[in-house]
Amino acid sequence: GQQVMQIPQYQHVQEGEDFTTYCNSSTTLSNIQWYKQRPGGHPVFLIQLVKSGEVKKQKRLTFQFGEAKKNSSLHITATQTTDVGTYFCAPQGGKLIFGQGTELSVKP
Amino acid sequence: GAVVSQHPSWVICKSGTSVKIECRSLDFQATTMFWYRQFPKQSLMLMATSNEGSKATYEQGVEKDKFLINHASLTLSTLTVTSAHPEDSSFYICSASMGGPNYGYTFGSGTRLTVV
Repeated sequence: GQQVMQIPQYQHVQEGEDFTTYCNSSTTLSNIQWYKQRPGGHPVFLIQLVKSGEVKKQKRLTFQFGEAKKNSSLHITATQTTDVGTYFCAPQGGKLIFGQGTELSVKP
Repeated sequence: GAVVSQHPSWVICKSGTSVKIECRSLDFQATTMFWYRQFPKQSLMLMATSNEGSKATYEQGVEKDKFLINHASLTLSTLTVTSAHPEDSSFYICSASMGGPNYGYTFGSGTRLTVV
């Protein structure tokens, strides 16, 4: 299956600061999905990116898919305490394989 | 929207016993479901792909005789952990997809298994 590396593993920010997590692959991806898992919860689907160079926004969240379709990023503007959780990228090619995730903590 | 129900949410069992976990798609049919295991502070590891009416496909390193998967209907998949040992203690989560780019995969709420 397609493997991805996700960085950073942890990110601690002050409320109001921005946050970015990166997802990198050595091979071209057909698509990439992003999920959020709150502490003690289960993953929740955020978005799917398919097109080269695609950029999608959901309120304060901006998702990008690289031109070469080998990397993706999730950027959160002005973090809030409700953003706390682990964000996973996952290429989907018949089955969903998760990256290592980035755990975000937000200090009020 | 798509809803996946998973039961039980937590279970404690004795070493050597078997535990069955159920995963149901409530408002859609799922010919394929996926089973994951997650250890604390780690990512979700795909264990197997459950296929309705046929044998499950297991990921490398996952013992198919220990983790029995049955997908007898379009809305139900079960995972049975046989002869459980303390090292099997983990968070088990199932998922399914309605299909299409706007849905992604819907996950059950997970089952926290503790083997004592």
